Amino acid sequence: QKEVEQDPGPLSVPEGAIVSLNCTYSNSAFQYFMWYRQYSRKGPELLMYTYSSGNKEDGRFTAQVDKSSKYISLFIRDSQPSDSATYLCAMSADNTGKLIFGQGTTLQVKP
Amino acid sequence: GAVVSQHPSRVICKSGTSVKIECRSLDFQATTMFWYRQFPKQSLMLMATSNEGSKATYEQGVEKDKFLINHASLTLSTLTVTSAHPEDSSFYICSALTRQGYGYTFGSGTRLTVV
Repeated sequence: QKEVEQDPGPLSVPEGAIVSLNCTYSNSAFQYFMWYRQYSRKGPELLMYTYSSGNKEDGRFTAQVDKSSKYISLFIRDSQPSDSATYLCAMSADNTGKLIFGQGTTLQVKP
Repeated sequence: GAVVSQHPSRVICKSGTSVKIECRSLDFQATTMFWYRQFPKQSLMLMATSNEGSKATYEQGVEKDKFLINHASLTLSTLTVTSAHPEDSSFYICSALTRQGYGYTFGSGTRLTVV
């Protein structure tokens, strides 16, 4: 069993839809949770970072962490074609250690 | 913000040759850098962690003699793929630990093709 599980998709939605992306994990020591966006042949860029459980909102993006269920989510409201990319969840047990990534979910937002 | 510059972005080399990939932190000092490999439609797999002035720590299954990592200064880390083979063809990405925000900034990646 992988430490972090993420459905690779692809996920295709119409423009304006609400997108829900999810990851599950098995290591209860994880405390730092991140979502990265990666465009084709580019390095990942940090979208959201959450420490421990709870919600965090930044513009159209909302990240949720449920440590009791070992489940994290990223919601994208009013999705745009420019949101089409691969979204990777990542997590670590401390804020200076290595990140464990999910496989990434490919999202396509159709105009 | 923190920027990591990675070069080259793309390289094609012949089997048996060596290729060096550089990552530079442009506006901060990176005491720790991570090197990842990513195969198509797969996640980032950590290869090694390098700390300035000390030997890199390699993940299980990664050949340290094949993937040479040097972190000689606080702004530069290099990954050299020695005696490259076609199976080494992949997307290599570096990441530096910063003190801003959460702290990980990624380079733009290097697409290595070994022919």
